Amino acid sequence: TQLLEQSPQFLSIQEGENLTVYCNSSSVFSSLQWYRQEPGEGPVLLVTVVTGGEVKKLKRLTFQFGDARKDSSLHITAAQPGDTGLYLCAGAYSGAGSYQLTFGKGTKLSVIP
Amino acid sequence: NAGVTQTPKFRILKIGQSMTLQCTQDMNHNYMYWYRQDPGMGLKLIYYSVGAGITDKGEVPNGYNVSRSTTEDFPLRLELAAPSQTSVYFCASSYRGLSSFFDEQFFGPGTRLTVL
Repeated sequence: TQLLEQSPQFLSIQEGENLTVYCNSSSVFSSLQWYRQEPGEGPVLLVTVVTGGEVKKLKRLTFQFGDARKDSSLHITAAQPGDTGLYLCAGAYSGAGSYQLTFGKGTKLSVIP
Repeated sequence: NAGVTQTPKFRILKIGQSMTLQCTQDMNHNYMYWYRQDPGMGLKLIYYSVGAGITDKGEVPNGYNVSRSTTEDFPLRLELAAPSQTSVYFCASSYRGLSSFFDEQFFGPGTRLTVL
């Protein structure tokens, strides 16, 4: 089983602040996905990163895949209350001729107005 | 499109009872998945299906059964419910599935199950 460690587990910040959450593993992943989950709902895909060193931007969110494809980060600039939620990273790895997806435990973000 | 729908939204079971969690998708996806999400533990794969008539075990299959008679439906059966099965259950579907390392999974809203 491939393991993904997310940090921090909880984060509470004021509106307008910047933040970074991390997703780390000792294993190499073929791709890494970030999902956001709001209370009472299922996760929704934000981005998929595939190439080592890749950086993707989604408005105020910046995602980076590590050069060795073992880690990733999500940076939010000028956080807003609408960013509140659980952020999950999920890594895809090859096993037994197919790809499996493993999820981290998540970072619970609260943005206080 | 409704996407992935799940019923019921909430359920309380007594130890030893059985129930079926329903999941339907209208995106014509071949791949469907069942996950459980425990507090602070992330998502764990219970079962998955690569198409009608084909299912396979995930990471935590014990105590559960599935069937896939149609492309649209993927019910999860709990037999002899135990307190350890108290969790939030999510059904998901995807287009490319296990043949792709960048496929997007679409999740339903979840079923919150409590076993007392």
